[in-house]
Order: sequence, then C-alpha cells, then structure tokens
Amino acid sequence: GAVVSQHPSRVICKSGTSVKIECRSLDFQATTMFWYRQFPKQSLMLMATSNEGSKATYEQGVEKDKFLINHASLTLSTLTVTSAHPEDSSFYICSAINYRDRGPEDYGYTFGSGTRLTVV
Amino acid sequence: QKEVEQDPGPLSVPEGAIVSLNCTYSNSAFQYFMWYRQYSRKGPELLMYTYSSGNKEDGRFTAQVDKSSKYISLFIRDSQPSDSATYLCAAYPRLTGGGNKLTFGTGTQLKVEL
Repeated sequence: GAVVSQHPSRVICKSGTSVKIECRSLDFQATTMFWYRQFPKQSLMLMATSNEGSKATYEQGVEKDKFLINHASLTLSTLTVTSAHPEDSSFYICSAINYRDRGPEDYGYTFGSGTRLTVV
Repeated sequence: QKEVEQDPGPLSVPEGAIVSLNCTYSNSAFQYFMWYRQYSRKGPELLMYTYSSGNKEDGRFTAQVDKSSKYISLFIRDSQPSDSATYLCAAYPRLTGGGNKLTFGTGTQLKVEL
C-alpha cells in the first residue's frame, strides 16, 4: 500500500529558529500533499495544499510567510516553520495522494506519522 | 455549524462489545466518506472508505452511509483493547481534477477495557 514517511518525528527548537519538516511518498508519486496541524484532543486543521511544481494554497488564517511549503518533486514536500515561537508548538501531519493514478474506488489519503514540534 | 460533526467522547466499552461511532454532515456536495484511526502521537490511518449509501464491511469493521439523512457510522465488532484510539470521520466532494480537501470531524476517543 501507499506509504508516506515524515521526518523528524519529534523536534525541540529554540524560539526564533527555523525548523524544516519533510514529507516523502515512498512508493507512489504524490501529485498533491496536504499539511495539517493538530492540537491536543482536537481534530486536524488543514494548513495548506501543495501541488507539485506550483505554489502552495494556504487556508485562511495561516501565515504563508511563517509556514513555508515547498513541493519541489512528486515525492517530497517540506514545511518550514520560520522564526518559531512557543505558540507554534503543535503536532504537524502531512498527507499525500496521487490523483492521476487512483481510480474512484481508491481515494484514501495516506498520512505521515506526524512531527511533534516543541518550541522552547 | 461545522460541516462534519462528531461526538468527541470519550467512549469507554468492555472488551468484546460492539462499538458504534457516528458522524453527521451538512454539505450535500460530500460524496466520499472515510474513517481514520489515530493512535496517540501518530498520524491517522485509513480504516474504511465509502462512496455510495449502504454498508461496507471489512473484517470487524463496518462503515455505513445514509446520504438521505447525512449520517455516517462505523461499527466495530468484538472490540479489542488494541482498538483503543481516536476515530476520525472525514468527507470530501466528488473529485473534478484533484485538490479537494478532506473535512474532518473532531474525532471520537475510544477506550476498550479488559
């Protein structure tokens, strides 16, 4: 089945520094990748949608200059949290799908294992 | 009103019980419905995917969709302690070239006790 690898699984950084999170589709080409943020005991909040080779589309209220997304290839998308602050501490999860190759009966989105970011 | 509503629980059941998890949705454009299981500090794992109204069975899991009442359910038979997790329902419209977003419910926390 489709596998999405996300790294790192956990990161602690100092306030003011930047952190990069990688999301890779291991056995399929991801035409679209999604980045989510999840607070404790809450659901996933979509931050942005990225299509390979084009700029990411950010959801309302998400600062695109703070959360930089690069989807440079069909197997890799990165999320960079710039000038991180304690309020950016959260669980970040990516998901990926290949719209071209999947038929109507197989539209499950595959998720990475998540990255717990702690800003101190 | 959220587009997908789900009771957050927590729901606690004894081992072997039948579990019923439910969601309602308000957006008539939603055509595809999914159930994800999420263990603590992990990414969601796809359990079931359904398109049409009716039932879909996979092992101990049965997904049910009633589009007329905009109601979706997940039943777990013979529940096990390993089923303890948060269960998220999700929906999205019919694809027309990609880019459609999943809309998630808040998730129901399930605990299956010995």
